[in-house]
Amino acid sequence: KAGVTQTPRYLIKTRGQQVTLSCSPISGHRSVSWYQQTPGQGLQFLFEYFSETQRNKGNFPGRFSGRQFSNSRSEMNVSTLELGDSALYLCASTQRGAQETQYFGPGTRLLVL
Amino acid sequence: GENVEQHPSTLSVQEGDSAVIKCTYSDSASNYFPWYKQELGKGPQLIIDIRSNVGEKKDQRIAVTLNKTAKHFSLHITETQPEDSAVYFCAARGTGGSYIPTFGRGTSLIVHP
Repeated sequence: KAGVTQTPRYLIKTRGQQVTLSCSPISGHRSVSWYQQTPGQGLQFLFEYFSETQRNKGNFPGRFSGRQFSNSRSEMNVSTLELGDSALYLCASTQRGAQETQYFGPGTRLLVL
Repeated sequence: GENVEQHPSTLSVQEGDSAVIKCTYSDSASNYFPWYKQELGKGPQLIIDIRSNVGEKKDQRIAVTLNKTAKHFSLHITETQPEDSAVYFCAARGTGGSYIPTFGRGTSLIVHP
């Protein structure tokens, strides 16, 4: 079974731009969670989607948004990028929800200049 | 909300030695404690987990102990090998409405050959 895949793996953007990251969960998994990982703040929860509905949201500004499609693939979008948004963005999937063991993808490394 | 403290932030050992990483949590309702290993360029991978109804769990060279009264749990790696070098994260997760895991800040384990 293929693992969680994330695209692109690396991305460079400039301040003020917007970016869309994609995550394909493990086949059969319907829950997708997104995390931001930085050296200063560690792993921080962004949001969780299940069956195309956002079920939980972390403490991030409205510039961070996401969605999930009927095939469980998920995208997250960051608008009006700031230097502080530079981070590794990780996606994790489970069959039913974040209360289960999460399987992480390799992440998308975003650099904002 | 939950707060997880992880120590040490860096741990350097000689091959064959044991390594111990400790975490404390604040929410007594937390009942699931996973440990993740993150290698360079990869997402976190679950290596072992423990639930609050169990005091200790072992898997070959890896063991986790939980002290619910003191609200701390530890990862023990015996007979360390260079391939154990990575960043290790602990996490704590509750049930009900707040089942999103809270992660520790990570421990960089370096095993010298």
